[in-house]
Amino acid sequence: DTGVSQDPRHKITKRGQNVTFRCDPISEHNRLYWYRQTLGQGPEFLTYFQNEAQLEKSRLLSDRFSAERPKGSFSTLEIQRTEQGDSAMYLCASSLQGKLAAYNEQFFGPGTRLTVL
Amino acid sequence: DAKTTQPNSMESNEEEPVHLPCNHSTISGTDYIHWYRQLPSQGPEYVIHGLTSNVNNRMASLAIAEDRKSSTLILHRATLRDAAVYYCILSHTTSGTYKYIFGTGTRLKVLA
Repeated sequence: DTGVSQDPRHKITKRGQNVTFRCDPISEHNRLYWYRQTLGQGPEFLTYFQNEAQLEKSRLLSDRFSAERPKGSFSTLEIQRTEQGDSAMYLCASSLQGKLAAYNEQFFGPGTRLTVL
Repeated sequence: DAKTTQPNSMESNEEEPVHLPCNHSTISGTDYIHWYRQLPSQGPEYVIHGLTSNVNNRMASLAIAEDRKSSTLILHRATLRDAAVYYCILSHTTSGTYKYIFGTGTRLKVLA
């Protein structure tokens, strides 16, 4: 257990439905990342927060995806009008910015596995 | 984005050393080299990282080539618990952020 939790762990939905995932980072961590991982591939970066500010979004994050981190604590990732291609593992990670900014070990949660039927 | 190249899979016998190679010929001067591993049904977990010098920790050692175009993760005595996908990652800096660009990794199989 890394201290990063994600809920739910599994989600099955029908195409066209909206889904929302939650990530609770390690409490003192000011950075929070979302990744997506499809079968047989490494995680792909989606977006990143520094406290409550969303500072970067990947081109993978279409306008059907939205992420928030109110008050710089937990984060939610919402997917609207889900498509079968959205089926994947959605991983959340958190880290603490250090003096040497590149020493930015990310602690990953267990992920939420989304299946779109 | 600087990318890494790793063998798709490797095998090792239990209690023998394992050397997992990674090529990163387009690495820039400020990119750190990170290794993470992902056990089945879990998120990735940190193994080790380095910049220029070789690094050791309780889990592994990281040997970095002098030109930094390649590195090797060394597990000194593989155990069955080390069976995982190992990712070599360059931390990519964009406006002060540090997102990880994962490749497909090396699937390590440890034989009893």
